[in-house]
Amino acid sequence: SAVISQKPSRDICQRGTSLTIQCQVDSQVTMMFWYRQQPGQSLTLIATANQGSEATYESGFVIDKFPISRPNLTFSTLTVSNMSPEDSSIYLCSVEGSGTYGYTFGSGTRLTVV
Amino acid sequence: GENVEQHPSTLSVQEGDSAVIKCTYSDSASNYFPWYKQELGKRPQLIIDIRSNVGEKKDQRIAVTLNKTAKHFSLHITETQPEDSAVYFCAASTGETSYDKVIFGPGTSLSVIP
Repeated sequence: SAVISQKPSRDICQRGTSLTIQCQVDSQVTMMFWYRQQPGQSLTLIATANQGSEATYESGFVIDKFPISRPNLTFSTLTVSNMSPEDSSIYLCSVEGSGTYGYTFGSGTRLTVV
Repeated sequence: GENVEQHPSTLSVQEGDSAVIKCTYSDSASNYFPWYKQELGKRPQLIIDIRSNVGEKKDQRIAVTLNKTAKHFSLHITETQPEDSAVYFCAASTGETSYDKVIFGPGTSLSVIP
């Protein structure tokens, strides 16, 4: 299955600032997915990123708050903009797994907003 | 959209006993049902999955059953071991490709007591 390198692994940020999270995949993938996992909670899909087109956002998530870039088939970024403490969470990218429809996840970015 | 429910939210079993986690889904078009295991501080990992044309699938100590008519599916872990302790997420997906988004249940925290 694909190997995903996600960074940063964690960060502590001031409210009102922005953080960009990067995911690099070791193979070309059509879709990349961004999830949020709040403490002790399940995984909530933020958006789906297809190379060459705008990301598709789920209900409750907007592009101004979570802009996504997908410049090529192996890389994507998620920016968390104008952060507030409510944005404190783990953010994970994922891609489809090879040979199965199961997703492979990056190691996650633990974000704390103070 | 798809809604996945999962029960129980917490489960504690003695080592060697069996554990069963049950999930229901709302969208009758869903046809792919993966299960993920997430150990503390780690990324979710796919442990088994099933498609709608199969009623049961087994992989060593874990098995998944699907009742498409009733729209529920279950994870069975036999001969539990302490290393099975983790949070387990069921999920559901519509569509025919791995490009389709996967919706996760709220999770079950499994504790295996030595």
